[in-house]
Amino acid sequence: EPEVTQTPSHQVTQMGQEVILRCVPISNHLYFYWYRQILGQKVEFLVSFYNNEISEKSEIFDDQFSVERPDGSNFTLKIRSTKLEDSAMYFCASSPDRYQETQYFGPGTRLLVL
Amino acid sequence: QKEVEQNSGPLSVPEGAIASLNCTYSDRGSQSFFWYRQYSGKSPELIMFIYSNGDKEDGRFTAQLNKASQYVSLLIRDSQPSDSATYLCAVNAGYPGTYKYIFGTGTRLKVLA
Repeated sequence: EPEVTQTPSHQVTQMGQEVILRCVPISNHLYFYWYRQILGQKVEFLVSFYNNEISEKSEIFDDQFSVERPDGSNFTLKIRSTKLEDSAMYFCASSPDRYQETQYFGPGTRLLVL
Repeated sequence: QKEVEQNSGPLSVPEGAIASLNCTYSDRGSQSFFWYRQYSGKSPELIMFIYSNGDKEDGRFTAQLNKASQYVSLLIRDSQPSDSATYLCAVNAGYPGTYKYIFGTGTRLKVLA
């Protein structure tokens, strides 16, 4: 069964460094999403992406964050200058099309900012 | 600020019983509602979605939606220990044709063998 994959599974970085989290959505899906979940807290929407542009973004998704689909398969989240509070699990998700909203989540990347 | 509220639990039920999980949402314009299951340290896994008022059944799971009262619930029949997890309610709070999913904090369910 097709699944969303994410790399790396764990990332440790120093405060102020840039990180890029990578996702490979399910191949025929058109909508892509990033979420984060700080340990013990709720899943928080960051951004949705369709047709090579941002569809919606949350208040969390400020100028430090950017997303890109650099080729036909990868979907990336970049954090330009990481802060301690960026430490969280980051989930990528994808859904087939606008008429099928069901989202399929990847296993997540656990980011730790020191 | 659009909100989704859930009782954090834990909700403890004996094996074989019905577990009832509830969720309320603040945006009256929300059109689509989702229940996810999340095991500790894992990603959310979709259980079911509902768009229309009333009940929707899928196996041991029934989702119930009442838009007038702005609540959505999930019933799990014949609960099993493997159902022990955190159940997340999510609502699409995006503008028409866009997708911005707001999650509740989740209800932790414990099914006692």
